[in-house]
Amino acid sequence: GENVEQHPSTLSVQEGDSAVIKCTYSDSASNYFPWYKQELGKGPQLIIDIRSNVGEKKDQRIAVTLNKTAKHFSLHITETQPEDSAVYFCAASRARGYSTLTFGKGTMLLVSP
Amino acid sequence: DTEVTQTPKHLVMGMTNKKSLKCEQHMGHRAMYWYKQKAKKPPELMFVYSYEKLSINESVPSRFSPECPNSSLLNLHLHALQPEDSALYLCASSQELRGQGSGNEQFFGPGTRLTVL
Repeated sequence: GENVEQHPSTLSVQEGDSAVIKCTYSDSASNYFPWYKQELGKGPQLIIDIRSNVGEKKDQRIAVTLNKTAKHFSLHITETQPEDSAVYFCAASRARGYSTLTFGKGTMLLVSP
Repeated sequence: DTEVTQTPKHLVMGMTNKKSLKCEQHMGHRAMYWYKQKAKKPPELMFVYSYEKLSINESVPSRFSPECPNSSLLNLHLHALQPEDSALYLCASSQELRGQGSGNEQFFGPGTRLTVL
């Protein structure tokens, strides 16, 4: 089955700095890669995703890159703000009508003012 | 409306109790999911319903019984739970596009925080 590794497990940055979280996956058939942000006491929120036919996708301060050959994808957050503090999960999924997501173990991002 | 709602938000139950968790979405999604999440861990898939039929059961103990009464509702019936079942239970939904080339966005609800005494 699919295995997703996520690093680092914790990341502390100063407000305004950039943050990068990296994930690797094992199943070459995986072709959908979402990122979720989970704040304390809340459910995961989909913040950005990428499909295997695209190498990069941006949404304001957030970007995701995908390297299919190396089987890794990364989340980039620029100009971090304290409200970006949360746990971030990457995930991978195969092609099918519905998604069964294999999650990474999560990264706790702490943005200090 | 891109919201998945779950009730109750918190639930405390004894090991002999029977309770139910409820989930609702009005996005027209035909795939619905139950996850269990322990503290500082990623969500673990329990069940997947596709077009109101159970498609995946990840070897979940029978004390958890899912039900999908219609395309908008998903229930999880709980009976004779153990303290180790205490966790955040998350519901999610996504489009079910047969023949689609890749997976689809999955939207999560806020979860039910379950405590088993």
